[in-house]
Amino acid sequence: EVQLLESGGGLVQPGGSLRLSCAASGFTFSSYAMSWVRQAPGKGLEWVSSISGSGGSTFYADSVKGRFTISRDNSKNTVYLLMNSLRDEDTAVYHCAKSSGYSGYECSDYWGQGTLVTVSS
Amino acid sequence: EIVLTQSPDTLSLSPGERATLSCRASQSVSSIYLAWYQQKPGQAPRLLIYGASNRATGIPDRFSGSGSGTEFTLTISRLEPEDFAVYYCQQYDSSPWTFGQGTKVEIK
Repeated sequence: EVQLLESGGGLVQPGGSLRLSCAASGFTFSSYAMSWVRQAPGKGLEWVSSISGSGGSTFYADSVKGRFTISRDNSKNTVYLLMNSLRDEDTAVYHCAKSSGYSGYECSDYWGQGTLVTVSS
Repeated sequence: EIVLTQSPDTLSLSPGERATLSCRASQSVSSIYLAWYQQKPGQAPRLLIYGASNRATGIPDRFSGSGSGTEFTLTISRLEPEDFAVYYCQQYDSSPWTFGQGTKVEIK
């Protein structure tokens, strides 16, 4: 059974940093791309970032490019999202999602419940 | 960036009725890169359809997807009580991947 467990969310001041983690199990982690998708309170889904199975290719939404960094440790079956220079508009539940393929050019077939990030002074 | 516009924003229907949800893209999307998701309150999204018309694992056959180019449709043939939720389309043809704003299917 595929399981994705996010952690690392919390309250942070504007301009601060946070690192999210997503521990995966139930599949061959290194064979699949992984993504982060966020959802602001009461709003729709917004794709944030994706990383290929090897970690060699990364993709970012314009709204986070230069501030967020996605990475993965295939030995630990974990994907990370380092978020710097956080803004009020980054407040959201951040979902980790498994891609249906390796490259990152795929849909997300399994999702975690998410971790809440609140940016506020 | 490809903008996806879903219609209607809200669909009010009764159990047993047919639901037709639309997703329009601002530019052509290869049909193999169009997905539909279902999300219930407090839950993670669930993949329903990928490649515009392929049901994901475990998805009942009352859900079907169709379309090409800039017009895509999700059809629920007969609504069951558990189908009342928000539905999102997504394109993964061109980065940045984008979602529609969602269609809420509510009980009439």
